[in-house]
Amino acid sequence: KAGVTQTPRYLIKTRGQQVTLSCSPISGHRSVSWYQQTPGQGLQFLFEYFSETQRNKGNFPGRFSGRQFSNSRSEMNVSTLELGDSALYLCASSRGQGMNTEAFFGQGTRLTVV
Amino acid sequence: QKEVEQNSGPLSVPEGAIASLNCTYSDRGSQSFFWYRQYSGKSPELIMFIYSNGDKEDGRFTAQLNKASQYVSLLIRDSQPSDSATYLCAVAKGGTSYGKLTFGQGTILTVHP
Repeated sequence: KAGVTQTPRYLIKTRGQQVTLSCSPISGHRSVSWYQQTPGQGLQFLFEYFSETQRNKGNFPGRFSGRQFSNSRSEMNVSTLELGDSALYLCASSRGQGMNTEAFFGQGTRLTVV
Repeated sequence: QKEVEQNSGPLSVPEGAIASLNCTYSDRGSQSFFWYRQYSGKSPELIMFIYSNGDKEDGRFTAQLNKASQYVSLLIRDSQPSDSATYLCAVAKGGTSYGKLTFGQGTILTVHP
């Protein structure tokens, strides 16, 4: 059974640019959540998509957005990049319903903003 | 007060010992509790989850949940050097919030030979 796939693995962008990250969940999983991990703030929730709808949202500015497609694949977009956006971006895949909602993480995308 | 707090580390135990990792949470509406292990430079790996009060055992790992005290712990028996990693406690509320995990800051565990 294939795991969660994130692409690309590494990105270097310049301040002011925008970036799109992709996440393919485990087959059969309908929920995709996105997290930002930094040494200072730890793992912070960005948003969750379930059946193409944003179901939960964290406390991040509107520059961070996402979407989910009918095949459950999800993309996250960050516009007008700032130096502080440098982080490991992780997506997590889960069934999203009921008590059996264990979330499994992808390998992450390491974003560096210069 | 942080929503999820873990015992401050780093925690160092000798090989073969029991490592005890603790986590408290502030929201009484929390229903699902998870322990993830993260090796340096890698993504978090789910090792245990628990929903009901009491103990849940899986191999060398035991998760303990006490909802009245808002406390969840992870015991690692017969600790091995390969267990050296950062352990993350995560909490989720029920209903449509299952997809939102709130993480503690992590506890660094070192198991020395």
